[in-house]
Amino acid sequence: EAGVAQSPRYKIIEKRQSVAFWCNPISGHATLYWYQQILGQGPKLLIQFQNNGVVDDSQLPKDRFSAERLKGVDSTLKIQPAKLEDSAVYLCASSLDWVASGDLWGSDTQYFGPGTRLTVL
Amino acid sequence: AQSVTQLDSHVSVSEGTPVLLRCNYSSSYSPSLFWYVQHPNKGLQLLLKYTSAATLVKGINGFEAEFKKSETSFHLTKPSAHMSDAAEYFCVVSSASGNTGKLIFGQGTTLQVKP
Repeated sequence: EAGVAQSPRYKIIEKRQSVAFWCNPISGHATLYWYQQILGQGPKLLIQFQNNGVVDDSQLPKDRFSAERLKGVDSTLKIQPAKLEDSAVYLCASSLDWVASGDLWGSDTQYFGPGTRLTVL
Repeated sequence: AQSVTQLDSHVSVSEGTPVLLRCNYSSSYSPSLFWYVQHPNKGLQLLLKYTSAATLVKGINGFEAEFKKSETSFHLTKPSAHMSDAAEYFCVVSSASGNTGKLIFGQGTTLQVKP
C-alpha cells in the first residue's frame, strides 16, 4: 500500500515570498492533517480535514496560511507571505474514517508523509 | 486539556543494553496514547498505541510501553538497543477519546545508541 506522498521535499524561499505544499493521502483515508514541526519541537497541528470539510483550524495562522482539499483527496497548504519563523518541516498525515475497519492499528491511527522542509531566508 | 511531557530530551545507551524513554501525560479522560519514531529525513512511524485495552502494549521492533494510570505515565522500553534504534521518539496523546482526534506531541527524546 502506498503511503502519504508529499512534494516538494525541500524548499528555500525569501521572506515575503509565497510557497505551496502538496499532499496526497493514503487511498481511502477520509481525514487529512497538516502539521508544522519546528526544529527541536514536536509537530503541531495546523489544520484537519474530514473529506473536503475543515474540522479544526484553530492553530492555523489564517492571515498568511491557507489550505484546501477541494475534492476530498489531495490537499495543498499555502503560505503567503512567508516569515522567517515559518521555517519548519510541514508534515501531512491521513487516517481512515472512524467507521472504517480492517486497519492494523485501528481507524484513528494517523500515517505521516516524509514532510517538506521549508527554509525562509 | 491534554498534554504530554517527555522527561528526557536526550538518552544515550550502549548497543545491547535496555532502553527507557519516559513520558508523563495529562488528560481529563481516559486517553489514547502513542509512541512515534522519526528517523532523520523520514516520516513519523507509529511504534505502538494504547487505547484502554491491555495496559502493557507491544509494538514494532521489540518496543513496548506500559500505561500506568496511577502514575500518569506511558514509558517506552526495549530490552536490548540496536544501532538502528537511534532516532527521535515522540510520546503523543490524542485530544479526543475514541475517534480520530488531534494529536498532541511531546517535545521529543533523541535516542543515541553507542557501539
